[in-house]
Amino acid sequence: GAVVSQHPSWVICKSGTSVKIECRSLDFQATTMFWYRQFPKQSLMLMATSNEGSKATYEQGVEKDKFLINHASLTLSTLTVTSAHPEDSSFYICSARAPGQGYQPQHFGDGTRLSIL
Amino acid sequence: SQQGEEDPQALSIQEGENATMNCSYKTSINNLQWYRQNSGRGLVHLILIRSNEREKHSGRLRVTLDTSKKSSSLLITASRAADTASYFCATEAGGTSYGKLTFGQGTILTVHP
Repeated sequence: GAVVSQHPSWVICKSGTSVKIECRSLDFQATTMFWYRQFPKQSLMLMATSNEGSKATYEQGVEKDKFLINHASLTLSTLTVTSAHPEDSSFYICSARAPGQGYQPQHFGDGTRLSIL
Repeated sequence: SQQGEEDPQALSIQEGENATMNCSYKTSINNLQWYRQNSGRGLVHLILIRSNEREKHSGRLRVTLDTSKKSSSLLITASRAADTASYFCATEAGGTSYGKLTFGQGTILTVHP
């Protein structure tokens, strides 16, 4: 079945560091991918929609300059948390839907746990 | 986007019992999906029910949808310890929101052996 891979699974770094998270669709091409954030014991919140070959669209309240999204190919989207601070510590998850499937379930990556010291 | 509500927030049962989780949402939808999340992991899709469907089954799972009340329920029958996880409902509105999911707050299910 369709699989979405996310890397790395865990990052611990110092405040001020920029962190890049990769999301790959392994056996299908995804023109659109989605990035979610989940704080401890909370639900998932959509951050942005990553569009292959064009700019990402961000949800209200999400800083585009803080969370840079690049969807350079049909199988890879990256989320870069720039100059990360402790309040950016969270669980980041990406998802994608294989093309031509209409309203079908999303495939989620295993998530990246980001801890900023 | 607004989050839906799920209840209960936490549910603790014994193996073999049934578990029922409820989800309410606020806007019109194209479909509603249920996902499972083991601690610290990604999401696993369980079942998708379209807005024109009222009930759907998959193995030990039964999902109902009442669009007039903007609510859905997930029933897990004959629960097992391995069913212990967080369960989320997610709605998809369609149109310009194609692919975007709005998640409920989730229910933490604990099944005791």
